[in-house]
Amino acid sequence: GNSVTQMEGPVTLSEEAFLTINCTYTATGYPSLFWYVQYPGEGLQLLLKATKADDKGSNKGFEATYRKETTSFHLEKGSVQVSDSAVYFCALSKAGNTPLVFGKGTRLSVIA
Amino acid sequence: KAGVTQTPRYLIKTRGQQVTLSCSPISGHRSVSWYQQTPGQGLQFLFEYFSETQRNKGNFPGRFSGRQFSNSRSEMNVSTLELGDSALYLCASGQGAGETQYFGPGTRLLVL
Repeated sequence: GNSVTQMEGPVTLSEEAFLTINCTYTATGYPSLFWYVQYPGEGLQLLLKATKADDKGSNKGFEATYRKETTSFHLEKGSVQVSDSAVYFCALSKAGNTPLVFGKGTRLSVIA
Repeated sequence: KAGVTQTPRYLIKTRGQQVTLSCSPISGHRSVSWYQQTPGQGLQFLFEYFSETQRNKGNFPGRFSGRQFSNSRSEMNVSTLELGDSALYLCASGQGAGETQYFGPGTRLLVL
């Protein structure tokens, strides 16, 4: 079946450090890929998405590229801020199908 | 546009009781999905409704049910509550099948 694997957290970084959170997936066909972020006590917010191979999703300084050859969708940010502290979820959905399959989440803490 | 709203935000119940949670999607969205989030199991898909019909269902017991009304608002019901039902229940809405889903703030249910 479809699955998403994320790097285990927690990840602790200093402000302005470079961030990478690894995400790989298993799926048939060409799924859509997403990164969602969850701040403490809140629901999930869509951070970025990509719907086909080699697409790059970007938002708020975060980027991720859909790599079909390595079945990956790694999240990157060049310079993190304390306000980026949250839990990040990688997810996929099969084309034309709604249910999202999530990774287990990666908690990021950014210290000043 | 207003986002996805969920009521109530917090709920405390005892074992054996039943509970109904409500979700109002983003205006114009016809698809509503429900997810359960727990520390142990992560985010798991419960079911999806589109135009008042259940279109997809996750692997949950029959105690979990839902429905959607003609105005796209949705409710989910859990009967005979168990301790393990304590979780954050998230509702998400989208424009249609396979479209990006936008999440509400969730209802946190505690079963004692």
